[in-house]
Amino acid sequence: DQQVKQNSPSLSVQEGRISILNCDYTNSMFDYFLWYKKYPAEGPTFLISISSIKDKNEDGRFTVFLNKSAKHLSLHIVPSQPGDSAVYFCAASSGSGGTSYGKLTFGQGTILTVHP
Amino acid sequence: KAGVTQTPRYLIKTRGQQVTLSCSPISGHRSVSWYQQTPGQGLQFLFEYFSETQRNKGNFPGRFSGRQFSNSRSEMNVSTLELGDSALYLCASSLGGSYTGELFFGEGSRLTVL
Repeated sequence: DQQVKQNSPSLSVQEGRISILNCDYTNSMFDYFLWYKKYPAEGPTFLISISSIKDKNEDGRFTVFLNKSAKHLSLHIVPSQPGDSAVYFCAASSGSGGTSYGKLTFGQGTILTVHP
Repeated sequence: KAGVTQTPRYLIKTRGQQVTLSCSPISGHRSVSWYQQTPGQGLQFLFEYFSETQRNKGNFPGRFSGRQFSNSRSEMNVSTLELGDSALYLCASSLGGSYTGELFFGEGSRLTVL
């Protein structure tokens, strides 16, 4: 039972264009969402997060959108750069009642390739 | 500020053996979580420790265990290794509040079981 799904295994975009990575979730108890980036032979690196009380959060070139009714979130990267090429993981947690303790539920990841 | 350090980075074991992996969290972080990453299952939560106590546990068999020391360093152990235990084991640390926010991951220990 995959509670967090990234349906696109890979995405290819041109440098300078927008990259849009999508993520769907099924557990309505999730109230905090994160995106991580992972390069080969390295651990995941935190990118950006969003609380369920918001529908948008921006940090430089990265923006995360949350649509709670659709249980869908997306990560926009504008403009995309070759150095953004990596695996992107969507993750979710349910912090209500302090039950999440260290537990994030991850999607399967999307391989982003940005071509020069 | 040093990041999360995991040792060893690579190891090869045979079926039936046991293995111990070590994790040193970021200084000041009191929570350590462990994850297993495999191509088929992705990143899956194993367990979390805070102040030497296991606070949360994922859906893994009892062969997977862990502990945390008073200096917040953590170890995980896998006994009676199976071929399916071949994976990248990731450790992550955080300040340790009850609400999970950003986790800081190490580079992982890649275990191959033959």
